[in-house]
Amino acid sequence: SAVISQKPSRDICQRGTSLTIQCQVDSQVTMMFWYRQQPGQSLTLIATANQGSEATYESGFVIDKFPISRPNLTFSTLTVSNMSPEDSSIYLCSVSNDRDEQYFGPGTRLTVT
Amino acid sequence: KNQVEQSPQSLIILEGKNCTLQCNYTVSPFSNLRWYKQDTGRGPVSLTIMTFSENTKSNGRYTATLDADTKQSSLHITASQLSDSASYICVVSANAGKSTFGDGTTLTVKP
Repeated sequence: SAVISQKPSRDICQRGTSLTIQCQVDSQVTMMFWYRQQPGQSLTLIATANQGSEATYESGFVIDKFPISRPNLTFSTLTVSNMSPEDSSIYLCSVSNDRDEQYFGPGTRLTVT
Repeated sequence: KNQVEQSPQSLIILEGKNCTLQCNYTVSPFSNLRWYKQDTGRGPVSLTIMTFSENTKSNGRYTATLDADTKQSSLHITASQLSDSASYICVVSANAGKSTFGDGTTLTVKP
């Protein structure tokens, strides 16, 4: 299994500002993903973080709002830009291996005021 | 369209009792089905993962079943504990594709 850590674990931010969330994995993984989970709802895939190239975004998510970096096989960042209260969610980093086993980080709870 | 439906949406049981959660899916072609436990405010934690050829898998007091013909899965929790209170999410993956998430079943175990 993969051990995933995220920073920060939670934050309260003012609208209009940006927050960068870090995801660190204890082993090299091919696939890394970023999810959003709004209160009371299931997980929604934001994008797939590709190592060395631009992330692949899902419908409804754009790079200007959620820029993603993945400089190597163990680390990725997600930035939530120009935040509004609607961005208040838990943001989760996830990885999967070649056996399609998927693991999740502990999440970052973001509150935008 | 790939879909995963879970039932019931929520469930309340007394400590020590058993319960069964259901998951129906239409994901194709099927790769694997996973059950996760998610405590409030935390990330999902994997309980079981089953491929097409597996029809049951246990993890302690959790037992998952899979019927690939009817595209149904269940998660049975035995002798429930207060710490079992959480959301249980069924996730189905297509071959080399993305995962489809169910909306989860919220389980509350009361003393």
